[in-house]
Amino acid sequence: KNEVEQSPQNLTAQEGEFITINCSYSVGISALHWLQQHPGGGIVSLFMLSSGKKKHGRLIATINIQEKHSSLHITASHPRDSAVYICATKNTGNQFYFGTGTSLTVIP
Amino acid sequence: EAGVAQSPRYKIIEKRQSVAFWCNPISGHATLYWYQQILGQGPKLLIQFQNNGVVDDSQLPKDRFSAERLKGVDSTLKIQPAKLEDSAVYLCASSSPWQAGNTIYFGEGSWLTVV
Repeated sequence: KNEVEQSPQNLTAQEGEFITINCSYSVGISALHWLQQHPGGGIVSLFMLSSGKKKHGRLIATINIQEKHSSLHITASHPRDSAVYICATKNTGNQFYFGTGTSLTVIP
Repeated sequence: EAGVAQSPRYKIIEKRQSVAFWCNPISGHATLYWYQQILGQGPKLLIQFQNNGVVDDSQLPKDRFSAERLKGVDSTLKIQPAKLEDSAVYLCASSSPWQAGNTIYFGEGSWLTVV
């Protein structure tokens, strides 16, 4: 079982701010996912990482396999970015373990 | 491509009653997951299927929860009898181990309130 920890648990930012959400895990993985969950909505996969860095629009995700750590960055944050961001690790057995999520609120 | 379908979307039942949730994964996805998500927490795996076989059901409260995926396609999760603490969102997800990228896709969830 992989212990996945996220920080911070809650985050409030002003529109335009740069945001970082951190994720650490306890055992080796085959991939790490960053997921987005809007209130009342389903969960959407933003990134899947096994090494390095990925960028999609204003979102950037990085992973350091040696340190067992990943970060999700949002540049020029916008109120529509308000959601819960969840880090999830996947092992070679195709099992996923989830963090408790970071609730982000971006204020106009 | 159709996504993961779940029903019902919302359900309110009294404690000690039973409830069943249905999930149809993305076509061709061999792996199907049921997760329980309590408000303010991350999803907790209840059961993982690979085709019609169970891979992991270690966190499924087997005295009251059951799940099946008889033909390796759609799946049903049942709770009988329900307790107040079962109030949660039940998320179904699917993935394909043989697909490049192997991402996981979630349904919109079945919201259960036990009163």
